[in-house]
Amino acid sequence: LAKTTQPISMDSYEGQEVNITCSHNNIATNDYITWYQQFPSQGPRFIIQGYKTKVTNEVASLFIPADRKSSTLSLPRVSLSDTAVYYCLVDGFTGGGNKLTFGTGTQLKVEL
Amino acid sequence: NAGVTQTPKFQVLKTGQSMTLQCAQDMNHNSMYWYRQDPGMGLRLIYYSASEGTTDKGEVPNGYNVSRLNKREFSLRLESAAPSQTSVYFCASRRQGESGYTFGSGTRLTVV
Repeated sequence: LAKTTQPISMDSYEGQEVNITCSHNNIATNDYITWYQQFPSQGPRFIIQGYKTKVTNEVASLFIPADRKSSTLSLPRVSLSDTAVYYCLVDGFTGGGNKLTFGTGTQLKVEL
Repeated sequence: NAGVTQTPKFQVLKTGQSMTLQCAQDMNHNSMYWYRQDPGMGLRLIYYSASEGTTDKGEVPNGYNVSRLNKREFSLRLESAAPSQTSVYFCASRRQGESGYTFGSGTRLTVV
C-alpha cells in the first residue's frame, strides 16, 4: 500500500481558502487519491476522490499533478465547522477487502 | 437510511471480561471493516471481511476475533479484555468497486 505524508496540523481563519498537500511518491497506476474528514467523536467521512487533474464537488476540490506523486485538497472559504482532521489515502480498488491505511492526518483548526 | 450502526456506543469492562461489539449496515455493501483509533493516532485496521463468509486479519488483530454473520452484520469480539484495548472502535462498510467507506459513529471502550 502506498504511504502518504501530510502536515500534522494547519491553522486558518474563517473565510480563507485552505490547501492541504499530501505526498504519495509510491502511488501505483491503479490507485486513486481519496480524502476523508473526521470530526471529534465521529467516524471519518468520505469527502472527495480523484485519479488525475482536478475534481470538484460541493465540499472541496482536489488537484492532482500529472506525475500523481502528490495531491492538494482545497477547501474554499472555510468556517469554524471545517475544524477537523483530514486524511489523505491512496485506494487501489484491488479485489475484495480494499484495505485503507489511515495515517495521523492533518488537524485543521479554523478560528474567527 | 441508517447507514452503519454500531452498538453499544460506550462500554466499560474489567480486565479479563469478554464482550462483542456489534455492527450492521443496510446499504447492501460487500465489504466490512473494524478499525481502532487511539488518542492522537490514525485508524488502524483490526479485521476485515471482503464478502459474506470471509474474514481476514488487518494490522492489529491480536486479542480480537470477528464473525461475518451475514451480509449485513460484522461483529468484533474481545475474549479477554486488556487495558491496551481501551480505544474507540469504528466499523465501516463499502460496496466493492465504489469509492468511499461509510463509517459508523464508533464504540468508546474503556478497560480498567
